[in-house]
Amino acid sequence: AAGVIQSPRHLIKEKRETATLKCYPIPRHDTVYWYQQGPGQDPQFLISFYEKMQSDKGSIPDRFSAQQFSDYHSELNMSSLELGDSALYFCASSLGTGETQYFGPGTRLLVL
Amino acid sequence: QKEVEQNSGPLSVPEGAIASLNCTYSDRVSQSFFWYRQYSGKSPELIMSIYSNGDKEDGRFTAQLNKASQYVSLLIRDSQPSDSATYLCAALGGGGNKLTFGTGTQLKVEL
Repeated sequence: AAGVIQSPRHLIKEKRETATLKCYPIPRHDTVYWYQQGPGQDPQFLISFYEKMQSDKGSIPDRFSAQQFSDYHSELNMSSLELGDSALYFCASSLGTGETQYFGPGTRLLVL
Repeated sequence: QKEVEQNSGPLSVPEGAIASLNCTYSDRVSQSFFWYRQYSGKSPELIMSIYSNGDKEDGRFTAQLNKASQYVSLLIRDSQPSDSATYLCAALGGGGNKLTFGTGTQLKVEL
């Protein structure tokens, strides 16, 4: 079965640079979620979209923005990167809000 | 206090034994609960979901939910070395969008 696709899988950036993470949900899934997982920590919810509209917002820094496009894929844009942004970034998708979320393989971001 | 609490472990069980993982939550509005398995450096993989009080079985896994006690558990029967991972308990909030995770319990299944 098709799963959530994330790209890139690994990313190395310098401080103050920008990064764009992409997420392609499971086919027919209309809801996308972004989570950040620091070393030794549990995943923290950043933001979610349902039918291309922001549906919920968590602990997402103002330096980050995200959107969902007409084909339901989503992009997380990160600017003015800081060392503390180094983490695993997971995208998850579901068929409707409040339904089971399936996670992608993640993007490992390292900020030097 | 975290909204979802788990014992971080590690929980060590011998191969073939039953592993019991526990989780408590504080938000009574939460209605849906999930167990995810996460290997180091990998993404969370859904093991079980549970929405109603009682037990739900799927193969070697049984999830239990007690909303009155705000308690969720996962039993793994016939534990295998490949079950060694971190198990994350998650609650879906009242708004129905974000998952709130516990810190995870590290399970080690020993030969």
